Amino acid sequence: AQSVAQPEDQVNVAEGNPLTVKCTYSVSGNPYLFWYVQYPNRGLQFLLKYITGDNLVKGSYGFEAEFNKSQTSFHLKKPSALVSDSALYFCAVRPNTGFQKLVFGTGTRLLVSP
Amino acid sequence: ETGVTQTPRHLVMGMTNKKSLKCEQHLGHNAMYWYKQSAKKPLELMFVYSLEERVENNSVPSRFSPECPNSSHLFLHLHTLQPEDSALYLCASSQVRADNTGELFFGEGSRLTVL
Repeated sequence: AQSVAQPEDQVNVAEGNPLTVKCTYSVSGNPYLFWYVQYPNRGLQFLLKYITGDNLVKGSYGFEAEFNKSQTSFHLKKPSALVSDSALYFCAVRPNTGFQKLVFGTGTRLLVSP
Repeated sequence: ETGVTQTPRHLVMGMTNKKSLKCEQHLGHNAMYWYKQSAKKPLELMFVYSLEERVENNSVPSRFSPECPNSSHLFLHLHTLQPEDSALYLCASSQVRADNTGELFFGEGSRLTVL
């Protein structure tokens, strides 16, 4: 069965600094990987996904993620953090065969200080 | 606005009440999902409907009863709930494709409190 690990409950970064939110996965076969963001009292919003091709995926709001097959990782990054990026971030994985059951991690809270 | 609308946004109910959560998607998708979000736990997939047939039921207690009358509407009927059922219930939709690459679109959630 597939699984996702987000090892950090919270990441703190100062505005203007680069940020990284970590994600590792376990899945049979090749993975499809996703990042979602959740702002307070809101649902999850899709940020980006890796399906195939270039390992660096660009998404919404200036976020990008790098797929690393050997390390089974899909870390979320942004070159310069904004206070408005403060939110809860979820990584998710789905195998590329079978019905589309998407499995989420426990989430990482990002706190960007002014 | 994600195209997925959930009502009510907040619900407080007693353990003996019967209530329902409603979800409507305006995206023309053919699959709908219920997830449960509790503090410090991964999102739990509860039910999946694809083309109006239930294709997944993750050992959810029978006090939760889903209904999908058509591809745009999904309900979660609630009865004799327990306080531990208090959580944020998220509805999502997606377009099921042969290549398995579609992402989910979520509603804003229904915050349920069971007293």
